[in-house]
Amino acid sequence: AQKVTQAQTEISVVEKEDVTLDCVYETRDTTYYLFWYKQPPSGELVFLIRRNSFDEQNEISGRYSWNFQKSTSSFNFTITASQVVDSAVYFCALSEVPEQGGSEKLVFGKGMKLTVNP
Amino acid sequence: DAGITQSPRHKVTETGTPVTLRCHQTENHRYMYWYRQDPGHGLRLIHYSYGVKDTDKGEVSDGYSVSRSKTEDFLLTLESATSSQTSVYFCAISPRTPGRSSYNSPLHFGNGTRLTVT
Repeated sequence: AQKVTQAQTEISVVEKEDVTLDCVYETRDTTYYLFWYKQPPSGELVFLIRRNSFDEQNEISGRYSWNFQKSTSSFNFTITASQVVDSAVYFCALSEVPEQGGSEKLVFGKGMKLTVNP
Repeated sequence: DAGITQSPRHKVTETGTPVTLRCHQTENHRYMYWYRQDPGHGLRLIHYSYGVKDTDKGEVSDGYSVSRSKTEDFLLTLESATSSQTSVYFCAISPRTPGRSSYNSPLHFGNGTRLTVT
């Protein structure tokens, strides 16, 4: 069975600090996808990144970076020089690739609330 | 904007009454999903659809039914609402097409429906 664990439930930092959000996953499949979504106070879910299980290259997008390590089943997310606008709930999610014609189903972690104080 | 509209955005209803939530998409995507979001649980899959009149259960389907008579609409019905169904409900669509190799896009979510059962 698939499982995503976000051990941190809430983090509070001061603006300009770096912060890392941890995500550990469990799956029996060798092919799968990992995701991060952001949910700002307005409530919508914003897609941030998708990574497939065959691509362990780290990715950087502006102040955001992601570290995928299959050896530890982790897909951690780092925000560099955090800003107040980064305050949100962040979800890590996992999807196994379905058989042909099947439907992927995302399994989400419980989310981590990040508060960035000025 | 992924072209997903959920209605209503907010609803308060009494225990025992039927409730129907609507998800409408303008993207002509085959796959549609209903998730619920609760504190401490993240998002959990209720039901999903892989085509007109083709639906299946998710992780927390008890007490819910769905229907998809048209590609663009996916309805979630609570036959007899209970207080435990107080939640925020999200609809999502997937732009993927059938075939394992074509899995290359994330889910896009609607803005959510906040349902309160008193």
